[in-house]
Amino acid sequence: KAGVTQTPRYLIKTRGQQVTLSCSPISGHRSVSWYQQTPGQGLQFLFEYFSETQRNKGNFPGRFSGRQFSNSRSEMNVSTLELGDSALYLCASSLEGGQRTQYFGPGTRLLVL
Amino acid sequence: SQKIEQNSEALNIQEGKTATLTCNYTNYSPAYLQWYRQDPGRGPVFLLLIRENEKEKRKERLKVTFDTTLKQSLFHITASQPADSATYLCALEGNNAGNMLTFGGGTRLMVKP
Repeated sequence: KAGVTQTPRYLIKTRGQQVTLSCSPISGHRSVSWYQQTPGQGLQFLFEYFSETQRNKGNFPGRFSGRQFSNSRSEMNVSTLELGDSALYLCASSLEGGQRTQYFGPGTRLLVL
Repeated sequence: SQKIEQNSEALNIQEGKTATLTCNYTNYSPAYLQWYRQDPGRGPVFLLLIRENEKEKRKERLKVTFDTTLKQSLFHITASQPADSATYLCALEGNNAGNMLTFGGGTRLMVKP
């Protein structure tokens, strides 16, 4: 089975712009979670989608949003980028029914200038 | 507020020795505790999961303990190898939290030949 894929892998944007990141989960996985990882704050939960519905949300401003499509693929969007949004954005997928293991993708490295 | 603490200082050990990493938490009642490995520039990889009613879990050279009274988990790698060098993250999940994981800051392990 193919693993979790994320595109693009690297991205450079300037302040004020917006960005959309994409995640394709492992086939059969219906839950997709997004995390932000920075050296200062570590790995922080953004949100989780299951069956096209946001099920959980972390403590991030409304500039961070996401969605999930019927094929379980997910996108996250960050509007009005700030320098502090520079980070590694990780997507993770998992099965349901008691399976707690999350399978992470390689991440998208975003640099905001 | 909820806090998960891992030793932020790198742990340096000699090949063949047992590495022991610590994860402490406060103001939290996790139903599950997971350990992940992360290599530079990559997403975390799941290693082990332990439930709140389990004291110990083993997988090959890995062993995890979970003490809900001390609010602590210990992660052991026996007969360590240079290939075990990586950052190890603990993650907690509460009951009915969906797939929302809260991660510790991680401990970097360096195994010297």
